Formats: sequence, structure tokens, C-alpha cells
Amino acid sequence: EPEVTQTPSHQVTQMGQEVILRCVPISNHLYFYWYRQILGQKVEFLVSFYNNEISEKSEIFDDQFSVERPDGSNFTLKIRSTKLEDSAMYFCASSEALGTGEQYFGPGTRLTVT
Amino acid sequence: GDSVTQMEGPVTLSEEAFLTINCTYTATGYPSLFWYVQYPGEGLQLLLKATKADDKGSNKGFEATYRKETTSFHLEKGSVQVSDSAVYFCALIIQGAQKLVFGQGTRLTINP
Repeated sequence: EPEVTQTPSHQVTQMGQEVILRCVPISNHLYFYWYRQILGQKVEFLVSFYNNEISEKSEIFDDQFSVERPDGSNFTLKIRSTKLEDSAMYFCASSEALGTGEQYFGPGTRLTVT
Repeated sequence: GDSVTQMEGPVTLSEEAFLTINCTYTATGYPSLFWYVQYPGEGLQLLLKATKADDKGSNKGFEATYRKETTSFHLEKGSVQVSDSAVYFCALIIQGAQKLVFGQGTRLTINP
């Protein structure tokens, strides 16, 4: 069964450093998403991406965040200058259609900022 | 704004026990409702869904009914198994929107 993959599974970085989290969505999906979950809190939407541009973003997704689909398979989330409060589990998801809620999630990348 | 509230966890049950995980929601529009499950080391997987009032979603012995009058979507299973141990997330999406809105998740542990 097709699945969403994410790398790395765990990333440790120092405050102020740039990190890139990588995702390979399901191949025939057109819509891509990033969510995050800070320890003990809810899973929160960050951004959705379609047709090579951001289609919706949350208040959390400020100028230090960016997303890119550099080739036909990868979907990346970049955090330019990490802060302690960016420590969280980051989930990538993809879907065939928009608005159905049927999104396929990767296993997540745990980001620890020290 | 839109939000989902789940019962506090963690929940620990014995095998073959009856399971209920409560979920209530607040929505500005007309939502579809979901339960997602996350097994250890894996991503969130769609467990079941309901798109309109009084719909019942079901899968793998789990059921949930969309109750508009009580704004609830409680998850139930009549006889749980050890393999049901996971984190369960209630979620909604507003018609026409792109983002899922999640509850905080409930960790379920089933002991043999």
C-alpha cells in the first residue's frame, strides 16, 4: 500500500540553525500539508500546498517557515532560524482531493531544538 | 473558531472490555468528522468518518455516530484487543476548507 515517508525521523539542532524536513507524498496525490504537534498539545495545521504554491497557511506559519516541492517527489519544510519553541513532531500529509479530510500522514519527524 | 475536544487520557483497559472515547466539537460551518489512529512508529491513519448528521462511521469494529444536537462524535468498540493500543485523534474539516482540526489525542493501552 502506498505511504507517505518522512526523513529524518529525529533531528536535533541548535537554536538559530536552519533545518529542512523532508517528505515523499503518495505519488498520485496533488495536495500536500504540514502539521505539527508540540509535546502534550494538539496536532496543528501549518500549511497546505497545491500546484506549486501555498494554498492556505496558519498563523504559526510565519516568515521563518517555507515549503517547497523541489522535484516531482519531495516536499520539504524549511525553518530558517530555529527557536526552542519549534521543538515538536512535524507531520507531512497528502491527499488526492481537497476538502474531504481524507489525508494520508507520514510517521513524523521529531525536531528537538537545543 | 473551530475546535475539537477529546476526553483526557491515557486510557487503560483489559482485553475484551468496552471502549468509549468522547469527542465534542465546535464548528463555524458544517463539518465532516473523523477519527484518526496512530500506531507506534507510524503516521496517523484514517479510521472512520461521517459527513452529515446521524451518519455512522465504522471500521475494524469501531463505530462513531455524528450527533449534531450534542455536537459529538464519540468512538466506541464493543470488545477491544491488545492490537488496538494506539493514540486516537478526533478531527473535523469544514466543508470547502483544507485543514483538519484535531483534538489532543487519547492514548489507549489494552492489557491482555
